[in-house]
Amino acid sequence: NAGVTQTPKFQVLKTGQSMTLQCAQDMNHNSMYWYRQDPGMGLRLIYYSASEGTTDKGEVPNGYNVSRLNKREFSLRLESAAPSQTSVYFCASSALDRGLVTNEKLFFGSGTQLSVL
Amino acid sequence: GESVGLHLPTLSVQEGDNSIINCAYSNSASDYFIWYKQESGKGPQFIIDIRSNMDKRQGQRVTVLLNKTVKHLSLQIAATQPGDSAVYFCAEPWFPIKAAGNKLTFGGGTRVLVKP
Repeated sequence: NAGVTQTPKFQVLKTGQSMTLQCAQDMNHNSMYWYRQDPGMGLRLIYYSASEGTTDKGEVPNGYNVSRLNKREFSLRLESAAPSQTSVYFCASSALDRGLVTNEKLFFGSGTQLSVL
Repeated sequence: GESVGLHLPTLSVQEGDNSIINCAYSNSASDYFIWYKQESGKGPQFIIDIRSNMDKRQGQRVTVLLNKTVKHLSLQIAATQPGDSAVYFCAEPWFPIKAAGNKLTFGGGTRVLVKP
């Protein structure tokens, strides 16, 4: 059981280049998320998808786009990379329990380290 | 501990001692909190959670205490081991939590270094 899988693990881009970070989960979770983590700082939410077919902006969405391709996959795209987007990117998923107790645990992938020169 | 930019608060602990990691939250209406552990080069891992109708919750070697009066959380690790060396984050819901999905706001984290 792989959990949340992200690719690639490392990437170096030049300013202005584009790329897509891939994420897939095999836990049949409804919700998926993209976070960025900068040195010494906490995780900041970029975009999330509460269910297949929906996406919403998080705290820091500028410069990014996302696609919830199906229930398993949620990709993050940088159309024109900037040095300010140098960061570690984490994908996460959660099973939103619609019963009396909401399951709010997030399961994270191992991250993508992105450098924009 | 909360983020101060590049200078992550650090707690140095002797192996075998207990560790206490603190976290302040801002939203008095928050009703759920989670602690995550992040080892170097890995994604955060869930440790323990607590709801606002509880003051204390215990797991395996970990205890979370919640003081709603002063909006403060703490994570206690008993008999700290080398494998406990990591960055620890507290997280609270980012309202409106029940609108769609689980959006959590993370604190800046505290680095725990276990000395042999």
